Amino acid sequence: QKEVEQNSGPLSVPEGAIASLNCTYSDRGSQSFFWYRQYSGKSPELIMFIYSNGDKEDGRFTAQLNKASQYVSLLIRDSQPSDSATYLCAATTGGFKTIFGAGTRLFVKA
Amino acid sequence: EAQVTQNPRYLITVTGKKLTVTCSQNMNHEYMSWYRQDPGLGLRQIYYSMNVEVTDKGDVPEGYKVSRKEKRNFPLILESPSPNQTSLYFCASSLSHRRYTEAFFGQGTRLTVV
Repeated sequence: QKEVEQNSGPLSVPEGAIASLNCTYSDRGSQSFFWYRQYSGKSPELIMFIYSNGDKEDGRFTAQLNKASQYVSLLIRDSQPSDSATYLCAATTGGFKTIFGAGTRLFVKA
Repeated sequence: EAQVTQNPRYLITVTGKKLTVTCSQNMNHEYMSWYRQDPGLGLRQIYYSMNVEVTDKGDVPEGYKVSRKEKRNFPLILESPSPNQTSLYFCASSLSHRRYTEAFFGQGTRLTVV
């Protein structure tokens, strides 16, 4: 069974700090990786995607991919209370499916 | 406005009564999916469609059917719902499977089967 694993949290960080969210995946054939943010009672919202090894930055968000270690991470700089949400990691499989992790709950304390 | 529209948003039904949840997107996206979300399990893919008349099973297809007769619509059909299908369902679409630069989710459908 192909899997995406995340620490369920909650991860609690003070306002202004860096939040670091991590994810591992089991399928070496996975090509594309995504981070979604989901507020309570709302739909997931795509915030970052990454296809190549290394870092990808977009505003306060940085996605990191290490295919050798099968590891994806999301860094949120200058965390704000509005960043408090569940963050879902997802990976495409060698076929055409998408597998999600169970999500990490993030709390940013004002 | 670019969007994925699901209906209904909330549904309570009885075991065995066939139901359909509709999903429509207005972005000319090729790839559409259905997911269910359960506490502690995250999003699990039920079915996906690469394009019109092309559908395939995700990880949890048992008890569900789909069709893709038109590019914009991707209904989810439960022929004989059971209580273990009580869940929050999301439809999603993207330009293509590998290019998630435009990935949209619908508002969700909360289904309760009693």
